[in-house]
Amino acid sequence: QQPVQSPQAVILREGEDAVINCSSSKALYSVHWYRQKHGEAPVFLMILLKGGEQKGHEKISASFNEKKQQSSLYLTASQLSYSGTYFCGTESQGAQKLVFGQGTRLTINP
Amino acid sequence: NAGVTQTPKFQVLKTGQSMTLQCAQDMNHNSMYWYRQDPGMGLRLIYYSASEGTTDKGEVPNGYNVSRLNKREFSLRLESAAPSQTSVYFCASSGVGRGTQYFGPGTRLLVL
Repeated sequence: QQPVQSPQAVILREGEDAVINCSSSKALYSVHWYRQKHGEAPVFLMILLKGGEQKGHEKISASFNEKKQQSSLYLTASQLSYSGTYFCGTESQGAQKLVFGQGTRLTINP
Repeated sequence: NAGVTQTPKFQVLKTGQSMTLQCAQDMNHNSMYWYRQDPGMGLRLIYYSASEGTTDKGEVPNGYNVSRLNKREFSLRLESAAPSQTSVYFCASSGVGRGTQYFGPGTRLLVL
């Protein structure tokens, strides 16, 4: 079952912060985050494993609450280069595949 | 290293025609995947191969077949293309089943 991402779209000014949420109805082993620029392939950002681990990547970080089966992606002091569509991919226990959310389109304006 | 390569980049088919999308990776990865991407639908898994010699259905396998030719190559075949199969197709690979997935550049398929 596809995880649900919210919001579906966000428009920010450069320097503002954003949070993208990913929620699943299944027990999760891990959550992956990817970013896709228009016309390009998705690019990996980070993996979070069960255990409530929080990871960071430049000014982008994420958390994973395994009890709530939710993950959040935090973008701090956004830059123009952060524009794109963000996808979470969830992995259930025992599965060797990801199920991706529908994506969140992030637009950063100068 | 080229990473994950896909051919062709773009294809136009008529309804009922068949074609094979090719994917190859040079990262010695065990697992390979085929996704389709439609507007507003995200990435949906068609088939995957956890290791050489094995293939499994994903979320949307109907109308497709796959072949894991060897560790490097994983092909996707449309036996009788339908307009509903118009989409962007991505191939991906990962070192282990739950590792980072690396995506190819995609194949844009239009079925008329």
